Amino acid sequence: KAGVTQTPRYLIKTRGQQVTLSCSPISGHRSVSWYQQTPGQGLQFLFEYFSETQRNKGNFPGRFSGRQFSNSRSEMNVSTLELGDSALYLCASSLLGASNEQFFGPGTRLTVL
Amino acid sequence: AQSVTQPDIHITVSEGASLELRCNYSYGATPYLFWYVQSPGQGLQLLLKYFSGDTLVQGIKGFEAEFKRSQSSFNLRKPSVHWSDAAEYFCAVAATGGTASKLTFGTGTRLQVTL
Repeated sequence: KAGVTQTPRYLIKTRGQQVTLSCSPISGHRSVSWYQQTPGQGLQFLFEYFSETQRNKGNFPGRFSGRQFSNSRSEMNVSTLELGDSALYLCASSLLGASNEQFFGPGTRLTVL
Repeated sequence: AQSVTQPDIHITVSEGASLELRCNYSYGATPYLFWYVQSPGQGLQLLLKYFSGDTLVQGIKGFEAEFKRSQSSFNLRKPSVHWSDAAEYFCAVAATGGTASKLTFGTGTRLQVTL
């Protein structure tokens, strides 16, 4: 069974631009969660989608948004990029949510210049 | 709200020595508890998890962890460390409940293994 895939793996943007990251969960998994990892703040929960509905949201500004498609693939979007958005963005999929095992993708490394 | 504390930022052990990584959590009830490992430039790999039942859980790569409710702890152990275990280790907690969907992570412990 294929694991969680994230595209692109690396991305360089400039301040003020927007970016879209993609995550394909493990086949059959309906929950997709997104996390931001930075050296200063560590791993922080962004949001979780389940069956195309946002079920939980972390404490991030509205510039961070996401969506999930009917095939469970998910995208997250960051608008008006700031230098502080530079991070590793991790996607995790599970059957039902965090109470089940979450499988993480390799992440997308976003650098904002 | 749940929280996790990993008091050790960096630990160095010799190959073949035993290892214990500390994790304390805060949650109003018995949470779901996890240990993940991350190698440089990689995503997170689940080592083991505790949901209920036996408080000593076995994981992959020879790791085990013990849930101690009275101490709100979930420490990770390995009897003999291998050089390939060098990585960063994260303890995480999830709220219980049917719609629980958020993992809260500790700040991580970086493990260095000397030969």
